Amino acid sequence: EAQVTQNPRYLITVTGKKLTVTCSQNMNHEYMSWYRQDPGLGLRQIYYSMNVEVTDKGDVPEGYKVSRKEKRNFPLILESPSPNQTSLYFCASSLTHRGPEAFFGQGTRLTVV
Amino acid sequence: TQLLEQSPQFLSIQEGENLTVYCNSSSVFSSLQWYRQEPGEGPVLLVTVVTGGEVKKLKRLTFQFGDARKDSSLHITAAQPGDTGLYLCAGAGSGGGADGLTFGKGTHLIIQP
Repeated sequence: EAQVTQNPRYLITVTGKKLTVTCSQNMNHEYMSWYRQDPGLGLRQIYYSMNVEVTDKGDVPEGYKVSRKEKRNFPLILESPSPNQTSLYFCASSLTHRGPEAFFGQGTRLTVV
Repeated sequence: TQLLEQSPQFLSIQEGENLTVYCNSSSVFSSLQWYRQEPGEGPVLLVTVVTGGEVKKLKRLTFQFGDARKDSSLHITAAQPGDTGLYLCAGAGSGGGADGLTFGKGTHLIIQP
């Protein structure tokens, strides 16, 4: 089954404690991206990757890092989480940056206290 | 940055009524997609429209891409409680940018029995 898998689904952490949210896709897609979704602000792109070892900043990259060492994996790293990073995070993948369709993971609900 | 504005932001109607959701921009898009998101899940693609003036139907849902490829609408006929959800439009840029899809903030739709 074609899917994007994120882990964990839910995470509560404390300010400053480094964390990683994993994302894996099994569709051999070149393009992967991370979004955060906040009430009233919609989906905002954090980082994206056109292919292995090629990553770039989206609209809200501050406080986040990513890596793309393998085609299927695109982890999101928060080196020193802060409360303003409390949000719902989605990983997405598509064949290319133009689509034709973006497949989303089920989301990670992160709370930073 | 290309922006997509969706309206209305919230809509609550009775089962059996018709409704239209709009997605507007001042930018031209090479294609436009509509996604539906249910609570606790990631967005799922409903349709992609590519050609200006294109109309696509998905059961009781009708999608239209504006002639100038700057706007789109989603019309639901005889809405049912199962149509409840967050509807997102997303545009793929017509330029050479690698940043993928631009999402609107969404329309929260509630269909009351």
